[in-house]
Amino acid sequence: KNQVEQSPQSLIILEGKNCTLQCNYTVSPFSNLRWYKQDTGRGPVSLTIMTFSENTKSNGRYTATLDADTKQSSLHITASQLSDSASYICVVTLDILTGGGNKLTFGTGTQLKVEL
Amino acid sequence: NAGVTQTPKFQVLKTGQSMTLQCAQDMNHNSMYWYRQDPGMGLRLIYYSASEGTTDKGEVPNGYNVSRLNKREFSLRLESAAPSQTSVYFCASRGDRINSPLHFGNGTRLTVT
Repeated sequence: KNQVEQSPQSLIILEGKNCTLQCNYTVSPFSNLRWYKQDTGRGPVSLTIMTFSENTKSNGRYTATLDADTKQSSLHITASQLSDSASYICVVTLDILTGGGNKLTFGTGTQLKVEL
Repeated sequence: NAGVTQTPKFQVLKTGQSMTLQCAQDMNHNSMYWYRQDPGMGLRLIYYSASEGTTDKGEVPNGYNVSRLNKREFSLRLESAAPSQTSVYFCASRGDRINSPLHFGNGTRLTVT
């Protein structure tokens, strides 16, 4: 069964500190993995996408990594800010060309709270 | 540029009542989606529309119907609401380029009593 598991479920850190969120998946055949940020009361917004051939990608203070061999991804947040408080959702896409039909599998998210 | 707009933001229904959730996008996207989000679960696909005039069932379609009114609008209808349909509903759209992201609305929080 195609699954996406995220850890930790929730996390509290002090402003200015770094943190790393994990995403493990069993989705196959794999096309890409995307991280979304969801603020409270809002819809998810894409942060970054990782394709099969990419190992790391940065978007400002966010850095995503992908190990396609172990089927793991991480999202590292540097110098956290209060505005980083949100749910971070990992989404894996099945490969279209091998008949996956572009199906998306969503993780349950990591709830991050940044405190003063 | 509003992106994806959903109405209403909040709704309370009694069991058995019906309602329609509205969604419109202004990005000229062909693909549109309806998801529900429940605590402790990932977003689950209810229905999607790959283009104007077509709709297909997703993972959890029972109890719902959809209408792709035109390229901009995609509505979700609950004919006879049940408490199990208490959830937050998100509409999304996506461009045609490969690896395009989903663009979500801000959701409708529905409570069925």
